[in-house]
Amino acid sequence: EPEVTQTPSHQVTQMGQEVILRCVPISNHLYFYWYRQILGQKVEFLVSFYNNEISEKSEIFDDQFSVERPDGSNFTLKIRSTKLEDSAMYFCASTGTDKNIQYFGAGTRLSVL
Amino acid sequence: AQSVTQLGSHVSVSEGALVLLRCNYSSSVPPYLFWYVQYPNQGLQLLLKYTSAATLVKGINGFEAEFKKSETSFHLTKPSAHMSDAAEYFCAVRRNSGNTPLVFGKGTRLSVIA
Repeated sequence: EPEVTQTPSHQVTQMGQEVILRCVPISNHLYFYWYRQILGQKVEFLVSFYNNEISEKSEIFDDQFSVERPDGSNFTLKIRSTKLEDSAMYFCASTGTDKNIQYFGAGTRLSVL
Repeated sequence: AQSVTQLGSHVSVSEGALVLLRCNYSSSVPPYLFWYVQYPNQGLQLLLKYTSAATLVKGINGFEAEFKKSETSFHLTKPSAHMSDAAEYFCAVRRNSGNTPLVFGKGTRLSVIA
């Protein structure tokens, strides 16, 4: 069964450093999402992406964040200068023709020290 | 604005007992509602969805949920718990148009006792 793949599974970084979280969505999907879950809190929407541009973003997705689909398969989330409060589990998701089903990756745990 | 509230951050049941995980929603428009499950070290997997068809929705692994507009609820049930059901369960809502993002509840951890 096709799946969304996220790498790395765990990323440790120093405060102020840039990180790039990588996702490979399901191959024929067209809509992509990033969510995050701070420990003990809700899964929160960050951004959605379609046709090589952002379709919707939340208040969390400020200028420190950016997304890109650099080639036909990868979908990346970049945090330009990480803060302690960026420590969270980051989930990538994609949808295909059935927009009611978002397929999630296993997540990347980001630890900012 | 839309939101969901999951009552109980942790539910513990005996193997073979009824599983009931509660979810109430708030939505200014007719909602689409979802239950996702997360097993350890895995992603979120869709259990079932309500998209304005039948109010009783059957999902995978024997789970079902009933949409009750009068109670603004979408509780998840399973008649008989199995050890393999131990996981984190998330209720989510989204607007019923376009590819809109999911709004999640805080999750309920289900433990199954032998």
